[in-house]
Amino acid sequence: AQSVAQPEDQVNVAEGNPLTVKCTYSVSGNPYLFWYVQYPNRGLQFLLKYITGDNLVKGSYGFEAEFNKSQTSFHLKKPSALVSDSALYFCAVRDLYYNFNKFYFGSGTKLNVKP
Amino acid sequence: GAVVSQHPSRVICKSGTSVKIECRSLDFQATTMFWYRQFPKQSLMLMATSNEGSKATYEQGVEKDKFLINHASLTLSTLTVTSAHPEDSSFYICSARDLGQGLRGYTFGSGTRLTVV
Repeated sequence: AQSVAQPEDQVNVAEGNPLTVKCTYSVSGNPYLFWYVQYPNRGLQFLLKYITGDNLVKGSYGFEAEFNKSQTSFHLKKPSALVSDSALYFCAVRDLYYNFNKFYFGSGTKLNVKP
Repeated sequence: GAVVSQHPSRVICKSGTSVKIECRSLDFQATTMFWYRQFPKQSLMLMATSNEGSKATYEQGVEKDKFLINHASLTLSTLTVTSAHPEDSSFYICSARDLGQGLRGYTFGSGTRLTVV
């Protein structure tokens, strides 16, 4: 079965500092991994995805994520956080075997960037 | 880019009444749309897959008769919460797949906050 774990409910970081939001996954076969961001009372916005290729994936708004197969991780990173990055972040994996369209989302991590 | 419009954004209804939520793909055709439910401080859970012109496919544990899904056109899917009760209060999000965008082509609506009083 596919699953995603986000071990941190909340991450606090000062503006200008680097940030990391953690994600680990469990899949059957090759993982298709995604990061989405959700602002209050809004839908999810796509940030980036990993399908194959380079382990470091660059996405929207200066975010990037590093795929680590040995650690089954896909942590989201940004070199310098902005207050406007404060939001809820979801890691997700696609189910390619039973339902190609189905996403399995992590529980979400609330990112707080303080001025 | 692909845009999915979801209405209403907020709705308050009395217990026992029905509420309809609309999900529209504005600039692409979506043969498949998806309905998610999000509980406070929890993740999104897929409720059902809405297929244009055919019956929806519900996830295990989701009541088909309570959450009616209609996908009558390539740009519109509706979710009707029938005989709503306070425990149905939640944030509902739809998603539509834009085949033209490949694997990133899952666009989410802005969500509907349903409160049943």
